[in-house]
Amino acid sequence: AIRMTQSPSSLSSSTGDRVTITCRASQGISTYLAWYQQKPGKAPNLLIYGASTLRSGAPSRFSGSGSGTDFTLTINYLQSEDFATYFCQQYFNHPRTFGQGTKVVIK
Amino acid sequence: QAQLVQSGAEVKRPGASVKVSCRASGYPFTSFGFNWVRQAPGQGLEWMGWISTYNGNTNYAQKFQDRVTLTTDTSTTTAYMDLRSLRSDDTAVYYCAREHVLSDGFDIWGQGTMVTVSS
Repeated sequence: AIRMTQSPSSLSSSTGDRVTITCRASQGISTYLAWYQQKPGKAPNLLIYGASTLRSGAPSRFSGSGSGTDFTLTINYLQSEDFATYFCQQYFNHPRTFGQGTKVVIK
Repeated sequence: QAQLVQSGAEVKRPGASVKVSCRASGYPFTSFGFNWVRQAPGQGLEWMGWISTYNGNTNYAQKFQDRVTLTTDTSTTTAYMDLRSLRSDDTAVYYCAREHVLSDGFDIWGQGTMVTVSS
């Protein structure tokens, strides 16, 4: 199974900050990478797929980049509603695997 | 609009089985497969398996291979996850999530079903 490693596991930031989360795959996955946002008590919500394609309706302050094994999720101008946990996921093959998550908290 | 609605919370004894349903509406059922993902309290997301609504093909995580069965019913546009021989560490929220046949991530998720395993 492909292992997905996110860093950091948590970070504290202020509204208006720029936040970067990284995700590394244990083997090349081309751009078969998705990012999800999850708020407490809610199901995950797809933000980005294909490593860099913003899902329709997702705020444009979210962006993704990378290919192969190294990927990045960037949140520009952090808003209060962005404090949540973010997960990366590969869908290059089965089993689908997730990163362990990055919790973004208010500084 | 497209949505997935899951069955309600369950409380089970160790050794029992649980069957969670996920009813789809608002889109062509056979254009999307179903994944099942679980999340133990305070933990991350764990993929359990996938089923094709087109031909019933399945793919299971090795960890669940001998305890889980995924099925779908096209007539009722419902997917099911059956987990057997429950243990206390199966206590989690179980989600269904659809994935297009061309695969672009899990774009619609059910609301989650809490399964508690306790004696």
